[in-house]
Amino acid sequence: DTEVTQTPKHLVMGMTNKKSLKCEQHMGHRAMYWYKQKAKKPPELMFVYSYEKLSINESVPSRFSPECPNSSLLNLHLHALQPEDSALYLCASSRGQGAIPGELFFGEGSRLTVL
Amino acid sequence: GENVEQHPSTLSVQEGDSAVIKCTYSDSASNYFPWYKQELGKRPQLIIDIRSNVGEKKDQRIAVTLNKTAKHFSLHITETQPEDSAVYFCAASGDSGYSTLTFGKGTMLLVSP
Repeated sequence: DTEVTQTPKHLVMGMTNKKSLKCEQHMGHRAMYWYKQKAKKPPELMFVYSYEKLSINESVPSRFSPECPNSSLLNLHLHALQPEDSALYLCASSRGQGAIPGELFFGEGSRLTVL
Repeated sequence: GENVEQHPSTLSVQEGDSAVIKCTYSDSASNYFPWYKQELGKRPQLIIDIRSNVGEKKDQRIAVTLNKTAKHFSLHITETQPEDSAVYFCAASGDSGYSTLTFGKGTMLLVSP
């Protein structure tokens, strides 16, 4: 299984809603990531979890709250978002072992629209 | 931090022609350079990568070259086909255990039949 699975594929929410994005991989990868991608732009790193611990938070606003319940799952909790947060949210994973960076496997993404 | 510049932003070629996309990076500690292809509405997919101990790597119609001294790397696609049309992103990463990729701004490649 070389897939990173994300749900939901599409999400529309109001600015007062609370929702969550979910990501799952069964490749035994120990590093998992959240990226945000706006139209016609490259992916921007938001968070990195390494061995289920938050290793990098790229100064992301607190209305985005990541969670890594176990080595296969990664969630992104959303609360009080703004319309400018509308984007494609990509989850990714990599081996995360040793000093050599490994291939990043991306999920299909969750397209978020904030009204 | 790392800064990756990518050129050109748009590239139009005729089917069968070659296409070259160039990237430069700023951090001499970077040692992993992947290229991703992203079709409209799809996820980025790795098409080829190169590490700093290698100068060139080839996979069928795709090749990547790396010049560590000059801090630049390039993607070469030969015999382009319409299905090569997509946005291509270069990226660079250091040697931590996880891939903190810094992406270039992307190149939209259009291959006309």
